[in-house]
Amino acid sequence: EAGVAQSPRYKIIEKRQSVAFWCNPISGHATLYWYQQILGQGPKLLIQFQNNGVVDDSQLPKDRFSAERLKGVDSTLKIQPAKLEDSAVYLCASSFTGVGNEKLFFGSGTQLSVL
Amino acid sequence: SQELEQSPQSLIVQEGKNLTINCTSSKTLYGLYWYKQKYGEGLIFLMMLQKGGEEKSHEKITAKLDEKKQQSSLHITASQPSHAGIYLCGAESGGTSYGKLTFGQGTILTVHP
Repeated sequence: EAGVAQSPRYKIIEKRQSVAFWCNPISGHATLYWYQQILGQGPKLLIQFQNNGVVDDSQLPKDRFSAERLKGVDSTLKIQPAKLEDSAVYLCASSFTGVGNEKLFFGSGTQLSVL
Repeated sequence: SQELEQSPQSLIVQEGKNLTINCTSSKTLYGLYWYKQKYGEGLIFLMMLQKGGEEKSHEKITAKLDEKKQQSSLHITASQPSHAGIYLCGAESGGTSYGKLTFGQGTILTVHP
């Protein structure tokens, strides 16, 4: 089966610019997650969707980050304006039900460099 | 909030040697997941351990869950260069966590041929 697709693979921008990342989860997976992984750290959850509704966005910096999952399938994560500290790998993951006791499938990530 | 501490932070071994990576939780473990990551890439699922104490093996990798100690260990037997990478433990918080995982900081494994 096809895995979680993410694009772009790499992105380099200057601070204060805007950037958007796209994710297409595994077909039929109800739950979609966006994680931020700063170099040398473990992934940190930014937002979790169940179908097209937000389950948890408590760690999303809402003054600059936004995310949507229209129609409950693919998702877009946006940063506007970007800061130097946003340099990280942005990982998208999906799971079948999102109710627990099931593995998360991860995409290859988008590596963002903010100069 | 739950925190996971991994040890060691990095590990360098000679090919053929055994090694162990530990993951300790600040709270009760309801589900413990081990993933492997190549630098700059996504996470590859290795194993999932359920609450209640469990041990699983796949090829040369064995993971154990000690719920009393709130700890899990990942053991690699006769390491190979292909085992090199970043190993991450992730845990569910239970309750209304709805499947999301909190991750440790990762253990960087280098295997010299």
